[in-house]
Amino acid sequence: SQQGEEDPQALSIQEGENATMNCSYKTSINNLQWYRQNSGRGLVHLILIRSNEREKHSGRLRVTLDTSKKSSSLLITASRAADTASYFCATDADRGSTLGRLYFGRGTQLTVWP
Amino acid sequence: DGGITQSPKYLFRKEGQNVTLSCEQNLNHDAMYWYRQDPGQGLRLIYYSQIVNDFQKGDIAEGYSVSREKKESFPLTVTSAQKNPTAFYLCASSIGDPGVAFFGQGTRLTVV
Repeated sequence: SQQGEEDPQALSIQEGENATMNCSYKTSINNLQWYRQNSGRGLVHLILIRSNEREKHSGRLRVTLDTSKKSSSLLITASRAADTASYFCATDADRGSTLGRLYFGRGTQLTVWP
Repeated sequence: DGGITQSPKYLFRKEGQNVTLSCEQNLNHDAMYWYRQDPGQGLRLIYYSQIVNDFQKGDIAEGYSVSREKKESFPLTVTSAQKNPTAFYLCASSIGDPGVAFFGQGTRLTVV
């Protein structure tokens, strides 16, 4: 399966600390995306990084991609209680045929304590 | 407002019944998807459609059926053949490649 795997499964930190989540995948990709899901809600797209990019920033989010290790990390700086959610990585598959299909990992549950 | 709408938010099914989950989008997206989410298992793809009147099975299509008669709509029927349907169902749409997905708010289906 192409499915990505996030690590750790759960992360608990205090407000103001940084949170780092990792994602590993198995086959070559065109891009990797990170999504956020609040409890009982749909997923919201956070950031996309292409296979020829190594790092990308968006506000307090920093994503890195290492295609040689088939891994990515999502860093949330200066975390807030409102960042409490599940975070998923999603990859496409570099097969050139299945337009837009994404493979999701099982997610990291982030809890930020006030 | 542009977006993707799922209904109902909560649905209860009796044993042996078929139920249909609605998904509508006004984003003019070509591709639409249905995912199932169980605790601790992430999202699993049930069916997807890249164009009207065409759809493909995902990883767990058994016991489910879909139709794509209009670009805006992609309803999912959970049939009585699905033995363990209790789950959170998410519909998504996307345009182009690499296919950033926009999700609805989900339908929680419970068998009673």
